[in-house]
Amino acid sequence: EVHLVESGGGSVQPGGSLRLSCAASGFTFSSYAMDWVRQAPGKGLEFVSSITSDGGSTQSANSVKGRFTISRDNSKNTLYLQMGSLRVEDMAVYYCARRVGPYDFWGQGTLVTVSS
Amino acid sequence: EIVMTQSPATLSVSPGERATLSCRASQTITNLAWYQQKPGQAPSLLIYGASTRATDIPARFSGSGSGTEFTLTISSLQSEDFAVYYCQQYNTWPLTFGGGTKVEIK
Repeated sequence: EVHLVESGGGSVQPGGSLRLSCAASGFTFSSYAMDWVRQAPGKGLEFVSSITSDGGSTQSANSVKGRFTISRDNSKNTLYLQMGSLRVEDMAVYYCARRVGPYDFWGQGTLVTVSS
Repeated sequence: EIVMTQSPATLSVSPGERATLSCRASQTITNLAWYQQKPGQAPSLLIYGASTRATDIPARFSGSGSGTEFTLTISSLQSEDFAVYYCQQYNTWPLTFGGGTKVEIK
């Protein structure tokens, strides 16, 4: 059974940094592209970043380019999102999701709060 | 960026009735998915390729459309179907979602 478990969320001040992790199990992690998608409180879904199965190529939303970095460690079956220069508008639940075209599996999400 | 527009924002439907949700893309796309999200839960995949049901999705859910106009139909609403539904294009970077349609009990 596919499981994706995010961690690393928490409260941070504007301008701060945070690293999210997503531990994957139940499938061959190294064979799948993986993404981060976020959802601000009471709002809709927003693509954040994507990484290919081998980590060789990434895509990011304009809103996070230059501030967030997606990476993965296939030996540890783990996806990461390094977030820097955090803004109030980055406050959201961050989901990791397996991308097969659409997203066929999602984690339960981790909440990032940005507040002074 | 391809903008996805969903309508209506809220749909009030009685159990057993049919629900029709719309999604419009700002450009022609071929890869469209629908997701369901219940309160406090992650989204889950319902439909991909505009009309193919994902694994274990009941037949009362159907997707249709092409080009820029797409529709999700729930033929007879069950209590567990009251949720928010999102469309998503996965044609072009950045991948984009519609703003969602909340299906609520009438």
